[in-house]
Amino acid sequence: DQQVKQNSPSLSVQEGRISILNCDYTNSMFDYFLWYKKYPAEGPTFLISISSIKDKNEDGRFTVFLNKSAKHLSLHIVPSQPGDSAVYFCAAASSGGYNKLIFGAGTRLAVHP
Amino acid sequence: GAGVSQTPSNKVTEKGKYVELRCDPISGHTALYWYRQSLGQGPEFLIYFQGTGAADDSGLPNDRFFAVRPEGSVSTLKIQRTERGDSAVYLCASSPTSGTTDTQYFGPGTRLTVL
Repeated sequence: DQQVKQNSPSLSVQEGRISILNCDYTNSMFDYFLWYKKYPAEGPTFLISISSIKDKNEDGRFTVFLNKSAKHLSLHIVPSQPGDSAVYFCAAASSGGYNKLIFGAGTRLAVHP
Repeated sequence: GAGVSQTPSNKVTEKGKYVELRCDPISGHTALYWYRQSLGQGPEFLIYFQGTGAADDSGLPNDRFFAVRPEGSVSTLKIQRTERGDSAVYLCASSPTSGTTDTQYFGPGTRLTVL
């Protein structure tokens, strides 16, 4: 029973264009969401997060949108750069306890010149 | 400063053997997590420590898996009677506290291969 789903295993985008990575969740107790980026042979690196009290959070080229009614979030990268090529994981957590992260399967983003 | 380190980076063992995987968290971080990432999947929670105690070990697959953090810093994940299905990358993460919004910082992982 996957509580966090990333239905697109891969995405290819041209440099300079927008990359949109999607994530769906099923557990309504989740109230904190994160995106991690992973390069080969490295651990995941935190990218951006959003609390359920917000519907948008922006950090430079990265913006995360949260649609609670649809249980859906997305990560927008604008403009995309070749260095953004990595695997992106969506993760979710419930407050009131501790930060036990539930991850999606990841989306491999390839940004080509 | 130094990040989370994990040793060894790679471990190859034979079915039935015992292995220990080590995690050195960021200095001062009280919360420590172990995750397991199988091929094509995202990290899967195994166990969480707050200080020296395991606050939640609900993700450990079975009683062959055990983890300790005796002094509240370094942690060791121990796997007895390894099976081929245990092959995965084992990731360790630490955070300053266990608050929901505390960023978890991951180590590079230990790739375990059970032949």
